[in-house]
Amino acid sequence: EPEVTQTPSHQVTQMGQEVILRCVPISNHLYFYWYRQILGQKVEFLVSFYNNEISEKSEIFDDQFSVERPDGSNFTLKIRSTKLEDSAMYFCASGNTGVGYFGPGTRLTVT
Amino acid sequence: AQSVTQPDIHITVSEGASLELRCNYSYGATPYLFWYVQSPGQGLQLLLKYFSGDTLVQGIKGFEAEFKRSQSSFNLRKPSVHWSDAAEYFCAVGASNTDKLIFGTGTRLQVFP
Repeated sequence: EPEVTQTPSHQVTQMGQEVILRCVPISNHLYFYWYRQILGQKVEFLVSFYNNEISEKSEIFDDQFSVERPDGSNFTLKIRSTKLEDSAMYFCASGNTGVGYFGPGTRLTVT
Repeated sequence: AQSVTQPDIHITVSEGASLELRCNYSYGATPYLFWYVQSPGQGLQLLLKYFSGDTLVQGIKGFEAEFKRSQSSFNLRKPSVHWSDAAEYFCAVGASNTDKLIFGTGTRLQVFP
């Protein structure tokens, strides 16, 4: 069964550093999403992406965040200058008829 | 504002017992409703979803959920729980089948043998 994959599984970075989280959505999907889950809290929507542009973003997704689909298969989330409060599990998701498929997540730890 | 409430933070059941996890939503239009399961260290797996039609929907792993518009609820049920069902369960709501999802805070299910 096709699945969404994410790399790395765990990323440790220092405050102020840039990080790029990578996702490979399911190949025929058209809608892509990033969510995050701070430890012990609910899953929160960050951004949705369709037709090579952001279709919606939350208030969390400020100027420090950006997304890109650089080559038609990868979907990346960049955090330009990480803060301690960016420490969380980041989930990529993709779908056509609904957000049915989530990746296993990347745990980001900012020290 | 859109919101999802899962009133039970933690539920413990014996293996073989029936299960019902509660979910209430607040939404202005007809909601698209989802249940996801998350095992420790894993991603979110879709159990089932409701868009329209029959209000009782069947999902994977023997789960079902019933949409009750009058109660703004979408409770998840399973007639006989297995030890492998121990996980965190999230209810979510969206405006369409491609819209962002609003998640509840989750219910952690513990299963005793």
